[in-house]
Order: sequence, then C-alpha cells, then structure tokens
Amino acid sequence: DVKVTQSSRYLVKRTGEKVFLECVQDMDHENMFWYRQDPGLGLRLIYFSYDVKMKEKGDIPEGYSVSREKKERFSLILESASTNQTSMYLCASRLAANYEQYFGPGTRLTVT
Amino acid sequence: GDSVTQMEGPVTLSEEAFLTINCTYTATGYPSLFWYVQYPGEGLQLLLKATKADDKGSNKGFEATYRKETTSFHLEKGSVQVSDSAVYFCALRAGSNQFYFGTGTSLTVIP
Repeated sequence: DVKVTQSSRYLVKRTGEKVFLECVQDMDHENMFWYRQDPGLGLRLIYFSYDVKMKEKGDIPEGYSVSREKKERFSLILESASTNQTSMYLCASRLAANYEQYFGPGTRLTVT
Repeated sequence: GDSVTQMEGPVTLSEEAFLTINCTYTATGYPSLFWYVQYPGEGLQLLLKATKADDKGSNKGFEATYRKETTSFHLEKGSVQVSDSAVYFCALRAGSNQFYFGTGTSLTVIP
C-alpha cells in the first residue's frame, strides 16, 4: 500500500516563526502536492512538484515556499507564520502517469 | 477558469436511505472527474473516478456518471450505512497536474 506520512498531526506556532511541514511518500512517486483545507473553501493547491528540485506554484502560493531535494520528501515552509495561515495542511503524491493522488493524514497548524 | 461546485452540507440521513450529493463542473476541454472521501481524522481517499463522458465510476456501492451535457457528476448510493459518515469531495483534473476540489459535503448517517 502507498503510504504518505506527514511529520506532525497537530502543530502550534507563534506569529513570525519559521515553520517546516514535512511530507514523505514511500512509492517512488514523481509528483507531490501541498494543499490547505479550510471550511467552506475545500482544498486549495499551494505548490506542487513534478520531480526532484522542480516546483510550480498552485493557486495560493503567497507566504509559502517548498523544497524537494529528494524524491520521497516534499517540505512546505512558512517563512514567517501569520494567523491567517492557521489551517489543515494536506500533502499528496502520485505517479506522473496516473490519475490517483494519495493523501497523508494532514497537519492541523494553529498560529497564535 | 476550471472549477467544481458541490451541494452544501451537512447532510443527515437515516441508515438505508438513498443518498445523492450533487456536483457540477466548469472546465475547458475534457477533464477527468473524481469523488474523494475523508473519514474523521484521516486524509482523503479516492472513492471513484470517470475519465470520459458517459463513464460510470463505482466503488463500495457508490456510483457517479460523467454527464457532459449537464456538466455533472452526482454521487449516489442506494442504501447508506453508518460507516459511510464522512466528508465527500468532488474534484476534476484539468491538464497534467492541476486538480480542483469542491468545498466538501459532510454526511452523517444515523442508525
């Protein structure tokens, strides 16, 4: 079975802190994604990566950056956390030639 | 741009009731359509998919038919169970990497 893991289920950070969210997949998938999930807004794409060291902006990249140094790992970075970044963050991966995305369990981030 | 609109929730049904969750889409070209399910405390899982017009996706008793003429992909199940309680997301894939998700519909099934 494909497994996508995220480093934390719950995280509380202070405004202005630098925050790292880590995602690891174990199935050699080329593509990886970061979404945020907010009530009434569904899932919105922040960034995706189609291969190592490759990245593209999604719909809401402002305030975020990403890093993909190894194929299995995709990191989301909040350079200076703000309260409006309080949200559920979901990571996903998939084979480039396939339709299905596999999601991690999510990280619920609270910025105070 | 491309988008998905699904019915507002929450939806509460009794066990064995019929379920419909409406989903319509706007897209250029010929998108693939998906339903994902999110159980409490978990990430999203693919429930079913359809890749071209008139295709019917089905899984675990759920069905959805890709209707190009009405730009719809409604999710149905004939007899829901308590274990079906979850949040359901309609989604489309446009282009090679971009997925668009609806806002999600919360379903609660009571015994």
